[in-house]
Amino acid sequence: SQQGEEDPQALSIQEGENATMNCSYKTSINNLQWYRQNSGRGLVHLILIRSNEREKHSGRLRVTLDTSKKSSSLLITASRAADTASYFCATSRDDKIIFGKGTRLHILP
Amino acid sequence: NAGVTQTPKFQVLKTGQSMTLQCAQDMNHNSMYWYRQDPGMGLRLIYYSASEGTTDKGEVPNGYNVSRLNKREFSLRLESAAPSQTSVYFCASSIRDRNNSPLHFGNGTRLTVT
Repeated sequence: SQQGEEDPQALSIQEGENATMNCSYKTSINNLQWYRQNSGRGLVHLILIRSNEREKHSGRLRVTLDTSKKSSSLLITASRAADTASYFCATSRDDKIIFGKGTRLHILP
Repeated sequence: NAGVTQTPKFQVLKTGQSMTLQCAQDMNHNSMYWYRQDPGMGLRLIYYSASEGTTDKGEVPNGYNVSRLNKREFSLRLESAAPSQTSVYFCASSIRDRNNSPLHFGNGTRLTVT
């Protein structure tokens, strides 16, 4: 299976702290993407990293990709209450895009 | 610019009934996808269409059929609904560029089968 698996399943941190989520997958991929979902609504794309890239930044987000270990991490720095959501990694191989089960992030005031 | 539009937003079916979930995108995207989301299971791919005229099975295709009606529209049909198909269904589309193609999602259809 191509599916990514996020770790941890749930994470609670204080506002202002950094949050790190990990994703592992099983097969070779074209790219890996991270999405956010608020309260069962549609997912919103956050960042995409190609298989030949190792690190990418977007605002407070930092994504790394280690293809030798088949793993990725998403770091959210200086967390805010609005970051409370579920985060999913998705692996893309050819035209097939498969999601993991997600990490539920809760930012405590 | 509406993006990805799904109809209906909510639906209740009795076991054995059939229905079609509609999805349309106005972004001139080539690829379209149907996912289902169940608590604790993340999103699971049902079917996808890489381009107009093609469809392929995803992770959980059993009990579903799809039609890529044209470039804009991709419908999902349940021929004989079962309680196990109670879920939230999401349609998504992308440009179809292998190196740079994020998905754009609709707001979902909440389906309950009793």
